[in-house]
Amino acid sequence: AQSVAQPEDQVNVAEGNPLTVKCTYSVSGNPYLFWYVQYPNRGLQFLLKYITGDNLVKGSYGFEAEFNKSQTSFHLKKPSALVSDSALYFCAVREETGRRALTFGSGTRLQVQP
Amino acid sequence: DGGITQSPKYLFRKEGQNVTLSCEQNLNHDAMYWYRQDPGQGLRLIYYSQIVNDFQKGDIAEGYSVSREKKESFPLTVTSAQKNPTAFYLCASSIGTGTGVNEQYFGPGTRLTVT
Repeated sequence: AQSVAQPEDQVNVAEGNPLTVKCTYSVSGNPYLFWYVQYPNRGLQFLLKYITGDNLVKGSYGFEAEFNKSQTSFHLKKPSALVSDSALYFCAVREETGRRALTFGSGTRLQVQP
Repeated sequence: DGGITQSPKYLFRKEGQNVTLSCEQNLNHDAMYWYRQDPGQGLRLIYYSQIVNDFQKGDIAEGYSVSREKKESFPLTVTSAQKNPTAFYLCASSIGTGTGVNEQYFGPGTRLTVT
């Protein structure tokens, strides 16, 4: 069975500082990993995905994520946070084989202070 | 929110009534999904469909039913058997799963309140 853990309910960071939102996963076999962002009362928006290849994945709005197979992690990062980045972030995983649907983490609320 | 529409945005029902949530997409995607979102629990998969006239149960299918008669439509019925139906419901779609690993596009959601 596949699962995702986002250990932090909330992350606070000052505008202009780097941010990290953590994600660890558990799958049988190779993982496919995704990050999504959700603004209040809206659907989710895709940020980036890791399928194979380079461990550092670049996505929308200046976000990037690093795949670490030995630590089973896929942390989301941004070098310089903006107040407008404040939102709910979800990590998701899908196994290479088996069920072709994503399993989501519980979400991390990012608060960027001016 | 792409080319996925969910209606209505807010829905109120009395306990014991069935209610159907609409999801339509014009992205020509083969796969469609229904999730339920509760505070602090992330998204949980209810049902998904990879092709017309076929669908599979997700992790929390009890008390829900779906149909996939047309490629662009995937309605979800919340039945009276669902014990805690009040939640935010999200529909998503993706390009056919046989063509690589593709991200899902989400609709704006329907907030269902049952009293």
